[in-house]
Amino acid sequence: AQKVTQAQTEISVVEKEDVTLDCVYETRDTTYYLFWYKQPPSGELVFLIRRNSFDEQNEISGRYSWNFQKSTSSFNFTITASQVVDSAVYFCALSDDGGSQGNLIFGKGTKLSVKP
Amino acid sequence: EPEVTQTPSHQVTQMGQEVILRCVPISNHLYFYWYRQILGQKVEFLVSFYNNEISEKSEIFDDQFSVERPDGSNFTLKIRSTKLEDSAMYFCASSSGEGRETQYFGPGTRLLVL
Repeated sequence: AQKVTQAQTEISVVEKEDVTLDCVYETRDTTYYLFWYKQPPSGELVFLIRRNSFDEQNEISGRYSWNFQKSTSSFNFTITASQVVDSAVYFCALSDDGGSQGNLIFGKGTKLSVKP
Repeated sequence: EPEVTQTPSHQVTQMGQEVILRCVPISNHLYFYWYRQILGQKVEFLVSFYNNEISEKSEIFDDQFSVERPDGSNFTLKIRSTKLEDSAMYFCASSSGEGRETQYFGPGTRLLVL
């Protein structure tokens, strides 16, 4: 069965702290894709990253970095030097061959609050 | 940058009424989706649509739901007889290729059923 677990419901940090959001996934497929989306207080879902199961290289984009580890079925997201604008709910999502058109399976999200 | 748009942003309706939520996907995208998010909960897949037909649907997408692409630009979700539990944020998404391509989401329609 496909499943995405984001064990951290809420995280609160002070500006400039680094913070890591955890994501653990379950799938029986060897080909799958992982995503992170950001949902700011305004409510929209903003795409952050897509990673396929064959690419385990970590990725860095500015203050954001992602650590994909197949051995532990994890795809963690780190924000370096957090800012108040990073305050949002962050969703990890999985798409595998179980869905014919790749519907996304979302975790429950982690609410990040960055205080000044 | 092209984006998915949705109208209305908010809709309030009485239980039992029909509602139509509208979406304009990104213009060169071929795959379309509806998801919903009950307040404070995770985002759940409803239905995917390709080549003018439903590709896949979840258990949530029962007979009271339908989707349509009435013209070359709009993609609609109809809820035939709304229930209280249909109150949620409804997101439309589109992707350029088969589903494992990135899905880009619209801003959502917040539906409140009274």
